[in-house]
Amino acid sequence: DQQVKQNSPSLSVQEGRISILNCDYTNSMFDYFLWYKKYPAEGPTFLISISSIKDKNEDGRFTVFLNKSAKHLSLHIVPSQPGDSAVYFCAVRHGSSNTGKLIFGQGTTLQVKP
Amino acid sequence: DGGITQSPKYLFRKEGQNVTLSCEQNLNHDAMYWYRQDPGQGLRLIYYSQIVNDFQKGDIAEGYSVSREKKESFPLTVTSAQKNPTAFYLCASSGGISGGSSYNEQFFGPGTRLTVL
Repeated sequence: DQQVKQNSPSLSVQEGRISILNCDYTNSMFDYFLWYKKYPAEGPTFLISISSIKDKNEDGRFTVFLNKSAKHLSLHIVPSQPGDSAVYFCAVRHGSSNTGKLIFGQGTTLQVKP
Repeated sequence: DGGITQSPKYLFRKEGQNVTLSCEQNLNHDAMYWYRQDPGQGLRLIYYSQIVNDFQKGDIAEGYSVSREKKESFPLTVTSAQKNPTAFYLCASSGGISGGSSYNEQFFGPGTRLTVL
């Protein structure tokens, strides 16, 4: 049973437009949410995160939105650039966990066309 | 430069052989993790360690073993009991029980691609 789902395996957008990547989770006890970016044959790199006490966090072109009632997380990239083409993973942490363990979604492959 | 190193980048082994993947970090992180990535399945946790000389099974620990004798090092052994070992293996670390700003975020190494022939 997948606790974290990224239902869109892939997304294609034009350079300069907005990219919206989505993530759904099942457990209301998750309290910290992260997005990672991954290029082929490399390790993921941390992008942006949000705590469950907030509903929005912004860092430059990247904004993460959290809708706790819908158990939904989204990442907005504006404007999208060709260098943003990569696989994006959402990850969540359980609030009662003191281990730092994260649960990852399956990933969404973003292609930004010039 | 602080970071996580994994070696080698590519590894080939014959079926039935054990193989050990290296992971070293100089970030002074307490916690370390091993994941495998398969196409369309995201990252799945194999083992993790919160502190030296202690480690816990993750979601897919069968056929794997680890050790944590030093804070900086968390090697993963893929044994012959692992039925489908060909995958991309990722090591990560985080601040762990010491807390701090790096507690929530995991930092990843570049990965090792293991192919069993």
